[in-house]
Amino acid sequence: EAGVAQSPRYKIIEKRQSVAFWCNPISGHATLYWYQQILGQGPKLLIQFQNNGVVDDSQLPKDRFSAERLKGVDSTLKIQPAKLEDSAVYLCASRQGTTPYEQYFGPGTRLTVT
Amino acid sequence: AQRVTQPEKLLSVFKGAPVELKCNYSYSGSPELFWYVQYSRQRLQLLLRHISRESIKGFTADLNKGETSFHLKKPFAQEEDSAMYYCALSPGTASKLTFGTGTRLQVTL
Repeated sequence: EAGVAQSPRYKIIEKRQSVAFWCNPISGHATLYWYQQILGQGPKLLIQFQNNGVVDDSQLPKDRFSAERLKGVDSTLKIQPAKLEDSAVYLCASRQGTTPYEQYFGPGTRLTVT
Repeated sequence: AQRVTQPEKLLSVFKGAPVELKCNYSYSGSPELFWYVQYSRQRLQLLLRHISRESIKGFTADLNKGETSFHLKKPFAQEEDSAMYYCALSPGTASKLTFGTGTRLQVTL
């Protein structure tokens, strides 16, 4: 089966600019996650979707970050405006409802804010 | 709140030597514990989970609730074990994962 797809793989922007990331989960996976991984740290959950509804967005900086999952499939994560501290790898993961433990990760998008 | 601590950023061992990657957690309930691995230029992937009590690629991990630890062990390290290892905790099966900061395992000849 195809894995989780993410684009772009790399993005360089200046602070105060906007950026958007796209994720296509594994077909049939109802749960989708966005993580932020800052250099030297482990992934930190930003938002969790179950189908097209938000389950957990407690760690999402809502003043600048937004995410949506239309039709319960693809998802986009947006940052507007970006700050220097947003430089990180943004990981998307998905999980099938019948396998509660394993999350399948995408390759990530490396964002550099200058 | 849950927390996962991996005290070593880098662990360097010789091929054939035993490996132990340390993981300690803080959580008031009964968590689910996992080890994820990221090989060079590959995606983050699940290595093993405590509930299944399995051995994957020769690695095992035992949950010690008294010491709140979930250390990853392998009796004989191989070169292909070189990777970044993350310990993770979930409060329940449908809940989010909290990751540690990771330990880079380097196996040398």
